[in-house]
Parts: sequence; structure tokens; C-alpha cells
Amino acid sequence: ETGVTQTPRHLVMGMTNKKSLKCEQHLGHNAMYWYKQSAKKPLELMFVYSLEERVENNSVPSRFSPECPNSSHLFLHLHTLQPEDSALYLCASSPEGQRITGELFFGEGSRLTVL
Amino acid sequence: GQSLEQPSEVTAVEGAIVQINCTYQTSGFYGLSWYQQHDGGAPTFLSYNALDGLEETGRFSSFLSRSDSYGYLLLQELQMKDSASYFCAVRGEDSSYKLIFGSGTRLLVRP
Repeated sequence: ETGVTQTPRHLVMGMTNKKSLKCEQHLGHNAMYWYKQSAKKPLELMFVYSLEERVENNSVPSRFSPECPNSSHLFLHLHTLQPEDSALYLCASSPEGQRITGELFFGEGSRLTVL
Repeated sequence: GQSLEQPSEVTAVEGAIVQINCTYQTSGFYGLSWYQQHDGGAPTFLSYNALDGLEETGRFSSFLSRSDSYGYLLLQELQMKDSASYFCAVRGEDSSYKLIFGSGTRLLVRP
């Protein structure tokens, strides 16, 4: 139990579907992140929210849409995805001090398969 | 740009010592972090080095040489449960919120 919970753990969707990934952290952290993990590639940062404001948007296609309604919850809305978007999507959180120590607290991820 | 290089795979025997190397390229350096990830699990923070030298935490140690842009993770008294992927990471040059990760080293511990 990492204190960061992601649902669903597995998701299969067609290219025309709309779905959402949910992340909840119980650690009292101020910042939340979405990372994408594909086979044999480094983790790629997608979005960062600090105090519910987006502070990073790494040239992510608009078919991915994040939402952070409060400091404990983070969503990733998915729409009209492509098969190459199939990957493990990891949510993470950090206290303000992460910027010094590089410590993120990750969830176990949502495994997405796009057919 | 920024990049990190680490071996893709390492194999070692239970009870042995293994070293996982990481070299990095970055114009602004704020420290080197290490993470462990078991198959199907969450990446878990292991250590952080901002200054040169060795940091020890139980069976795991992490080393940094800033002049060589190099670090390593040392795992001693290997156990089967240490089989996992290990990632090094540095902070982004353009953002204090961004961690740039290496591609990971898959460690296989054999009996």
C-alpha cells in the first residue's frame, strides 16, 4: 500500500470510446503527476498539478485531458485514443520537498489497452 | 537535452553483490534518485544523492560522482525478492517538478 490508489487497474477500450482513469492520494501531498510507462522506454511525464493548478503539460496530445478537482484526486480523461497509447499510466504524488529530493510516491498504475 | 544511460539487464546470484550503473547528461544537476519497480507494482523511491560519495541504507547503497556524471546503486546480500527493475532519475533542467528517468535495469536474481 503506497498511499496512492489508482482505478481501474486494467482497462480495455476501443478507439472511439471515452473513459477516465482515477487517482487518489491519502498522503496529504500538494503535487500530483501523471506518467506514461511503455515497454522498454523511460517513464514519460505527462502532467503535473501543484495545489490543483497545472504546472506542467509535456506536449501531450489533446486526446488526453487531465483534471484535478482537489489536492487528493487526479483524473485522466481519455478520448479517441490510438493503439500506440496502450501503456501503463502511473499516478504519483509528492510533498513540496520533492523538488529537492526527487522522491515521488507512485500508485500501481492503470494498464490501458487500446484496440 | 537530458539523458540517462543504464544497462538494460543484469543477472546475479542470491547472496552476491551487484552494482547498477547510471551515467547522465544534464546542464543543471540537482541530484540523482533511484527507484525500484517489481513487475506489476508501483515504482518505489530508494535513495537520493545530491553530494559526491556513498549513501548507505541497509543492504542498498547509492554512490554519486558529480565530476564524472555517474552514479551507481549497490545491492548487497542479494535476495530473490530483489528481482525487479531499477531506475535512476534526475530533475529536469527546465522544471523543478519534472523527473527524467533512465530506461531502467532489469535485475534477475538466480538461486
